Amino acid sequence: DIQMTQSPSSLSASVGDRVTITCRASETVDIYLNWYQQKPGVAPKLLIFDASSLQNGVPSRFSGSGSGTQFTLTINSLQPEDYATYYCQQTYSPPPWTFGQGTKVEVK
Amino acid sequence: QVQLVQSGAEVKKPGSSVKVSCKPSGGTFINYTIAWVRQAPGQGFEWMGRIITIFGHTSYGQNLQGRLILTADKSTSTVYMELRRLMPEDTGVYYCVTIFRAPSGSFGFDLWGQGTLITVSS
Repeated sequence: DIQMTQSPSSLSASVGDRVTITCRASETVDIYLNWYQQKPGVAPKLLIFDASSLQNGVPSRFSGSGSGTQFTLTINSLQPEDYATYYCQQTYSPPPWTFGQGTKVEVK
Repeated sequence: QVQLVQSGAEVKKPGSSVKVSCKPSGGTFINYTIAWVRQAPGQGFEWMGRIITIFGHTSYGQNLQGRLILTADKSTSTVYMELRRLMPEDTGVYYCVTIFRAPSGSFGFDLWGQGTLITVSS
């Protein structure tokens, strides 16, 4: 199975900050990389697919980049509603489609 | 907008089975592929398996082979996840999700159920 590693596992940031989360794959996943946001007690929400394509309704302050084995999720001008845990997921290989362990964005 | 509605929380004994339902409100499952993932307390997500509802074709994660059964009832547009021979490490929140295919050919989970907490304890 392809292993997905996120860094950092948690970070502290203030409203208005620019936040960057990294996801690394153990082997190439081309651009088949998704990002999800999960708030406590709630199901995750798809933010970005194909490494950089914004899902309908997702604010433009979210952006993704990368290909192959290195990917980045950036939140420009962090908003109060963005405090959550973020997960990357690869869907390059046949299932199992594996997730990173998550990055928790907390209030600084 | 279609939402996925799952059945409620369950508490089970080790060695028993659990069956969780997943049904769309305001729509049907025709042409959907439904996957199940689970999240242990404080952990990330684990792929369990998927079912192509129109054909009933299933595929399962290797770690759950022999214990997991996914079925679809087309008459009621309900998908079921049954996990047998439960162990305490099966404790977690179980989600059904719809798999969408992007124009590039990639896949993602665009619609999630609300989750069902399964607790396995003696």
